[in-house]
Amino acid sequence: NAGVTQTPKFQVLKTGQSMTLQCAQDMNHNSMYWYRQDPGMGLRLIYYSASEGTTDKGEVPNGYNVSRLNKREFSLRLESAAPSQTSVYFCASSEASRGANEKLFFGSGTQLSVL
Amino acid sequence: QKEVEQDPGPLSVPEGAIVSLNCTYSNSAFQYFMWYRQYSRKGPELLMYTYSSGNKEDGRFTAQVDKSSKYISLFIRDSQPSDSATYLCAMRSGGSYIPTFGRGTSLIVHP
Repeated sequence: NAGVTQTPKFQVLKTGQSMTLQCAQDMNHNSMYWYRQDPGMGLRLIYYSASEGTTDKGEVPNGYNVSRLNKREFSLRLESAAPSQTSVYFCASSEASRGANEKLFFGSGTQLSVL
Repeated sequence: QKEVEQDPGPLSVPEGAIVSLNCTYSNSAFQYFMWYRQYSRKGPELLMYTYSSGNKEDGRFTAQVDKSSKYISLFIRDSQPSDSATYLCAMRSGGSYIPTFGRGTSLIVHP
């Protein structure tokens, strides 16, 4: 059982280049998320998708776009990368219940450097 | 002021010590409280969760919530080098499934 799979694991871009981070989950979860993690800043939500066909902005959406391709896949696109987007990116998924046992399952991350 | 405050550390302790990790929060609507553990170069994993106030114990780990003070804690007894990781607190209201995370505390347990 793979859980949440992210690709690529590492990427170096030049300023202005574009790229797409891919994420897939095999747990039949309703919701999927993209976070970035920077030293001293914790996890910050970029975008999330409550269900197939819907997406919503999180705390730091500027400079990013997302696509919920189907229930399994949620991609994050940087159209014109900037050095400020150098970070570790995590995809996550969850059932999106409001019960006590609701939890996020995270992928192993993508380390992105923008030069 | 962020909704959830957490000292980033690092916190360095000797093996066998009792560790106390803490978070404070400002949103009184938070009802569900979680601790995630993140090893280096890995994604976070849920360690424990509690609902409302009180204590919850799981092996060497105890999670404590004091809603009156808006303060949560994670205690680790008999700490081991394998406990070295970043611990992130997270919390959410009953009407939401999306948690708000603290910045995480880096814990180092040295032999």
